[in-house]
Amino acid sequence: NAGVTQTPKFRILKIGQSMTLQCAQDMNHNYMYWYRQDPGMGLKLIYYSVGAGITDKGEVPNGYNVSRSTTEDFPLRLELAAPSQTSVYFCASSYSTGKNEQFFGPGTRLTVL
Amino acid sequence: SQKIEQNSEALNIQEGKTATLTCNYTNYSPAYLQWYRQDPGRGPVFLLLIRENEKEKRKERLKVTFDTTLKQSLFHITASQPADSATYLCALNAYSGAGSYQLTFGKGTKLSVIP
Repeated sequence: NAGVTQTPKFRILKIGQSMTLQCAQDMNHNYMYWYRQDPGMGLKLIYYSVGAGITDKGEVPNGYNVSRSTTEDFPLRLELAAPSQTSVYFCASSYSTGKNEQFFGPGTRLTVL
Repeated sequence: SQKIEQNSEALNIQEGKTATLTCNYTNYSPAYLQWYRQDPGRGPVFLLLIRENEKEKRKERLKVTFDTTLKQSLFHITASQPADSATYLCALNAYSGAGSYQLTFGKGTKLSVIP
C-alpha cells in the first residue's frame, strides 16, 4: 500500500499561472481532504469530498477548485495563482468521518512569486 | 468564536522525563479529539483518538486525557527520548451536519527532547 501520494513535491509558480496538485489514495477511502499549512499556523481545510462526485467547501476555499471523479483521486486546482497561496498543501483521506483517523500525504510545497 | 489553543509553541525537556502538552478549546462540542505527530517536511501522522465520554486513553508510552468540563486535553509522553522530538498537533472532531464531522487542528507544539 502506497497510502496517500501527492505530486509534485515542490513547485514555483508565477502570479497568475494555474496548476493542479495531484492526490491519490489506494486504501479505498470514501473521504478525502485538502489542507493548507502556513508557518506557525494550524492546518486549514480547503475542500473535502465524501465520495466520488461529491465535494464541499472547507474553511478557506477561495481561489481553489476540486473534482472527484474516482474514489482514488482528488486533484486540487489553483486558478490565477497569488502570493497568498504560497503554502504547504496536504491531501488526506479517511475511511469514514468522525471517529476515524486521517491519513496524510507527504505534502506539496508551493511558492507563488 | 471557536478556538483551539495548544499551550506553547515550543517545549524543551530532558531525556527520560515526562512531556506534557496541553490543548484547550472554546465554543466547541467535540465528539472526538485526536493527536497527531508531524516531523519537519512530512505530513501529520495519527497517534491517538479519544471520545468525549472517555477520560483517558493509553498507547505504549503515550497517554491522552480528555476533560469536557474543563474543555481540555492533556497529551503525555513518558520516558521521553530524542526520537520523540517533533511537532504535536491537537485536532477536534465536531459534528458539522449532514452526517459529517469536521476535523479542526490546533497550531501545534514543537517538542524537543534534549539528551
